[in-house]
Amino acid sequence: EVQLVESGGGLVQPGGSLRLSCAASGFTLSDHYMDWVRQTPGKGLEWVGRTRDKVNSYTTEYAASVKGRFTISRDDSKNSLSLQMNSLKTEDTAVYYCARDLFVGGSYYFDYWGQGTLVTVSS
Amino acid sequence: DIQMTQSPSSLSASVGDRVTITCRASQGIRNDLGWYQQKPGKAPKHLIYAASSLQSGVPSRFSGSGSGTEFTLTISSLQPEDFATYYCLQHNSYPLTFGGGTKVEIK
Repeated sequence: EVQLVESGGGLVQPGGSLRLSCAASGFTLSDHYMDWVRQTPGKGLEWVGRTRDKVNSYTTEYAASVKGRFTISRDDSKNSLSLQMNSLKTEDTAVYYCARDLFVGGSYYFDYWGQGTLVTVSS
Repeated sequence: DIQMTQSPSSLSASVGDRVTITCRASQGIRNDLGWYQQKPGKAPKHLIYAASSLQSGVPSRFSGSGSGTEFTLTISSLQPEDFATYYCLQHNSYPLTFGGGTKVEIK
């Protein structure tokens, strides 16, 4: 059974850093693109970034709002994905989800999601 | 960036109703569109990929159509478990962008 479990959320001051983790089980992480998506309280969904699979050298893409501040990495030996968040702003407050990509129909879609972890940026 | 405009933002419907949600892309995205369902306090669930293909395990009352810039999600006969918020997401180009969501509420 595919499972994704996020951890690492919490309260952090503006300008601070936080590292989120996503523990994957039931599949081989290196075979899949993986994404981070966030949802501000009571609002919609925003794509944060993506890491491609091993075949594609784990290259990354980011939303403009986080580029240069957030970094996606993975440890395939631990089947784990991470999101390092630096220089945090109040507008980064959100529930952060990791999602697995499935290549189908010529594109990549999020077929499994974690339960999310809440990040609150506040003084 | 490709803007995804979803309408309506909310609707009220009864069990058994046919419901249609529309998503419009600011530029052509072929059929690189997915639909997701989210219930309160839960992660989104994938319903449809490539605009019209049903994800495994999703009931056949859900269907999608469209290509280019205009897409629709239809629920043919609304069931109690379908009351939720629905989002479209374009997977055509970076940054990936979601529609603003449609909240389907009980009438």
